[in-house]
Parts: sequence; C-alpha cells; structure tokens
Amino acid sequence: KAGVTQTPRYLIKTRGQQVTLSCSPISGHRSVSWYQQTPGQGLQFLFEYFSETQRNKGNFPGRFSGRQFSNSRSEMNVSTLELGDSALYLCASNQAGQWETQYFGPGTRLLVL
Amino acid sequence: DAKTTQPPSMDCAEGRAANLPCNHSTISGNEYVYWYRQIHSQGPQYIIHGLKNNETNEMASLIITEDRKSSTLILPHATLRDTAVYYCINAGNNRKLIWGLGTSLAVNP
Repeated sequence: KAGVTQTPRYLIKTRGQQVTLSCSPISGHRSVSWYQQTPGQGLQFLFEYFSETQRNKGNFPGRFSGRQFSNSRSEMNVSTLELGDSALYLCASNQAGQWETQYFGPGTRLLVL
Repeated sequence: DAKTTQPPSMDCAEGRAANLPCNHSTISGNEYVYWYRQIHSQGPQYIIHGLKNNETNEMASLIITEDRKSSTLILPHATLRDTAVYYCINAGNNRKLIWGLGTSLAVNP
C-alpha cells in the first residue's frame, strides 16, 4: 500500500496570507490527524477527523481549521498567517479502532515571511 | 504539557543494545505507554506500545516497571539507521498523543 502523502512538501507564504495543506491517508484508513512540529514546542496535536467529522481538537486558535472528504482525504487551512506558524505540518492516518498506531506522512514545511 | 521525561540525548555503539529510559510518574491507570521515533526529515514512526506487561515486536522491546512509573525501550542490536529522535508518550482514551521533546539517539559506528 502507498503511505500517507502530503502536498505540497514545501511552501513559502507571507504574513496575512492563508494556506491550504493536503493529506491523503493510507488506503482504507478513515481517521486523519494533523500535528504541528516546531523546534521549541515539538509535535503538537491540531485535530483529528473521522468519517468527515472532527472528532478531536487541540489547543490552537480558530485560524487553524480542517476538513475531511468522503474519500478520507483531508485538508487543513491556516488563515491570516503569522511568523510563528512557520513549522512542519504532519498528517497521520490510522485504521478504525487502532488510533494508537498512527502512520505519518513526510510533512509539509511551511515558512512564513 | 507532556507527561513524560526523557534524557535529551544518548549515544550507542553500532551492534550494541540501546536502552532508552522514560519517566512517567503521573501515568493514569488507563493510559498506555507509546513509543515513536522520528528519523531526520521524515514523519514519526510507530514503534511499540504497552499498558503494564512487557511487549516485544520486530522493532523493539518495551519494559514497563511494576508501578508503571517508568519504562525502557530496548533496541537489541542498534544500527546506524536507528539514529533518530525517540518519543515516549502516555495516552488514554482521549485519543490525543501529547508529545515531549524526546531523546535524540546517535548510533555510532
């Protein structure tokens, strides 16, 4: 099976812009989670989607949002970008009932100037 | 905040066992211990998890103390490809993995 894929791999934006990142889970995986990774904070949980519904949410401002489509693909959006949003954004998928075993994609590295 | 404590870095000789410790003194009764690793420029990779019994799979062994306040991940024969940051995480049924900063393991030839 193909692994989790994320697009784009690299992105440069300026403050105030918005960005949309995409994640395609492993075939058959219906749960998708998003994480932000920065050198100072490590990996921080953003949200989890299952069957097109947000099932869990971390402590991030409302500028961070996501959605999941009927084919389990997921997108996350960050509006009004700030310099501090520069990070590696990771997507992970898992089989239903096996959330502890998450399969991560390579991430999208976002740089906000 | 992460509920686990790990040394920031460790070294290991290639071919030797790597023993990575983790303290989780506030672990709840229904929380598991999970280990993931992240090789440079890649996403994290699941290694193993356990509740209170020791666990072993093709990648590693997990030893959890009887009081569950600490655990050790054992890579029995470390290779250069095991050089990575190793994360120890406690999580229960809330489906949230709270990550610390992990242990950066360097396997030296």
